[in-house]
Amino acid sequence: KQEVTQIPAALSVPEGENLVLNCSFTDSAIYNLQWFRQDPGKGLTSLLLIQSSQREQTSGRLNASLDKSSGRSTLYIAASQPGDSATYLCAVRPRGTSGSRLTFGEGTQLTVNP
Amino acid sequence: KAGVTQTPRYLIKTRGQQVTLSCSPISGHRSVSWYQQTPGQGLQFLFEYFSETQRNKGNFPGRFSGRQFSNSRSEMNVSTLELGDSALYLCASSWGDRGDSPLHFGNGTRLTVT
Repeated sequence: KQEVTQIPAALSVPEGENLVLNCSFTDSAIYNLQWFRQDPGKGLTSLLLIQSSQREQTSGRLNASLDKSSGRSTLYIAASQPGDSATYLCAVRPRGTSGSRLTFGEGTQLTVNP
Repeated sequence: KAGVTQTPRYLIKTRGQQVTLSCSPISGHRSVSWYQQTPGQGLQFLFEYFSETQRNKGNFPGRFSGRQFSNSRSEMNVSTLELGDSALYLCASSWGDRGDSPLHFGNGTRLTVT
């Protein structure tokens, strides 16, 4: 059974700092890994999708890497801003079944202080 | 392009009642998935529909059911509500049928069972 773990559970940093969020998964047989952010009381916003054949994806100040063999992904946020405060979730899509079933981690709650 | 739309945003029901939640996917998306989010269990997969057929189902009791219409809109029904069904119910849509396209989530329906 696929399990996804995110460390740390919570993180508080001053504005401007570069930071790394970690995600690990137990089964390397995945189609892809997706990073989301969730603001309080809201749905999930897709940030980056990395296919299993890719090593990394970048969007603006965000960079996500994937090491499938070791079961790890990192989300790097450069020059953090208060508006980055949210919960960040990673999710993997298992290989071997069709469809859009994702297994999520518990999330990292990020607070960026002005 | 309009995002995933879920209605209603909030619902308050009494134990034993039933409820129907609605989801309109992004135009052109044929896959619709449903997830339950609670503080204790995190995000858990309920089921997925593709072209009006249920393609995947999570580990939830038969009280939870869904369907998808020919225009890809989906409904989720929960019968005989229990207190533990209180949660944020999230709908997600995606374009592809191979599981390699990103999921896009709505803002959810907050269900409270009293």
